[in-house]
Amino acid sequence: DTGVSQDPRHKITKRGQNVTFRCDPISEHNRLYWYRQTLGQGPEFLTYFQNEAQLEKSRLLSDRFSAERPKGSFSTLEIQRTEQGDSAMYLCASTDDSYGYTFGSGTRLTVV
Amino acid sequence: GQQLNQSPQSMFIQEGEDVSMNCTSSSIFNTWLWYKQDPGEGPVLLIALYKAGELTSNGRLTAQFGITRKDSFLNISASIPSDVGIYFCAGRGNTGTASKLTFGTGTRLQVTL
Repeated sequence: DTGVSQDPRHKITKRGQNVTFRCDPISEHNRLYWYRQTLGQGPEFLTYFQNEAQLEKSRLLSDRFSAERPKGSFSTLEIQRTEQGDSAMYLCASTDDSYGYTFGSGTRLTVV
Repeated sequence: GQQLNQSPQSMFIQEGEDVSMNCTSSSIFNTWLWYKQDPGEGPVLLIALYKAGELTSNGRLTAQFGITRKDSFLNISASIPSDVGIYFCAGRGNTGTASKLTFGTGTRLQVTL
């Protein structure tokens, strides 16, 4: 296991389309986080899972956003009816809470 | 959402110089983390601090957890070209639990030869 894996790395979509991103955490990590990062800013928390349970959601996560972690392993983040303001880097991180958080390389979304 | 205040926002330094950056918060944190992010990549953890007053080193990097638990600093000694990137501080509220990280606004470091 080489780290947190995110797919795709880049996604360009037309406004109004739906997109889905995938995150595969480090296998022994039971906690998984999604963050969003816009240009020139630090990452901002979106949501968090412990195993398959979604335990916290940010106010940034509008009703167009949904995240799942069905078997407590990989997670998906779906954005429905994308808007230009959704353009950002979407980062996934996992931890077993023993030492920091390990981030993936992110999915860069561009909505045109 | 809330972002921690980092300073400076950016800095140009010459190779071999020492660098210092800091991070302040209006809230108390129980863990401070420092990350480095290269363009198009996710943040990579550099140093984690778990106790107020703690001073921790990782190679040429040294970081301290402020006594008030509302601030932290990161020093880089003898900078080299691969130190270029954006450095983020991050605070976590609850030790030993899985609470989210709150990130700073970032310090962009550029090194001239």
